[in-house]
Amino acid sequence: QVQLQESGSGLVKPSQTLSLTCAVSGGSISGGGYSWSWIRQPPGKGLEWIGFIYHSGSTHYHPSLKSRVSISVDNSKNQFSLNLSSVTAADTAVYYCVRVATDSRSYYFMDVWGKGTTVTVSS
Amino acid sequence: DIQMTQSPSSLSASVGDRVTVTCRASQRIATYLNWYRQKPGEAPKLLIYAASSLQSGVPSRFSGSGSGTEFTLTITSLQPEDFATYYCQQSYGTPITFGQGTRLEIK
Repeated sequence: QVQLQESGSGLVKPSQTLSLTCAVSGGSISGGGYSWSWIRQPPGKGLEWIGFIYHSGSTHYHPSLKSRVSISVDNSKNQFSLNLSSVTAADTAVYYCVRVATDSRSYYFMDVWGKGTTVTVSS
Repeated sequence: DIQMTQSPSSLSASVGDRVTVTCRASQRIATYLNWYRQKPGEAPKLLIYAASSLQSGVPSRFSGSGSGTEFTLTITSLQPEDFATYYCQQSYGTPITFGQGTRLEIK
């Protein structure tokens, strides 16, 4: 059974770069045709999609974050990462790493989630 | 962006009740609609994908329906663990968007 675990700095200063890693266990990140994603949830609010990295290696980001965000995969370490630059207090949130599955009809959905990690942006 | 609007924003019910949550999309999305349950302090969990397909391991008291712009999640015979927040999410196009959530509370 695949499990995801986020790690990274829990406190980031304004204008700096937020960096998180998601370790994948119980399966290969490069096998199965899955894509990988990051979702965030500000305190007391709803869910916001940040971006995808597809099994092909291509990426797709939320337009509002596109100029600041980067998602990458390290197949040798079986993990994927999120970098978000020039952070402000508005980036304070719980960040989830997520596996994105596709069925035979090409529907896609987020079927495995990490527990989430809290990131606070503050000086 | 495709806007997803859930109703109600909150509702109260009792164990054993049947409840329905509605999700409306700002444009037609066929059946590219997923539902998640999020318990307090936990990550969301996938319940339904493609509007009506039950995710493996999810109890059959959960069901989904709809297409186009209007969708429903129905929970029959509420269990204590179902008192949580529910989110719909469209996968028709990017950016992926979620509804604002429906909080289900114990009456």
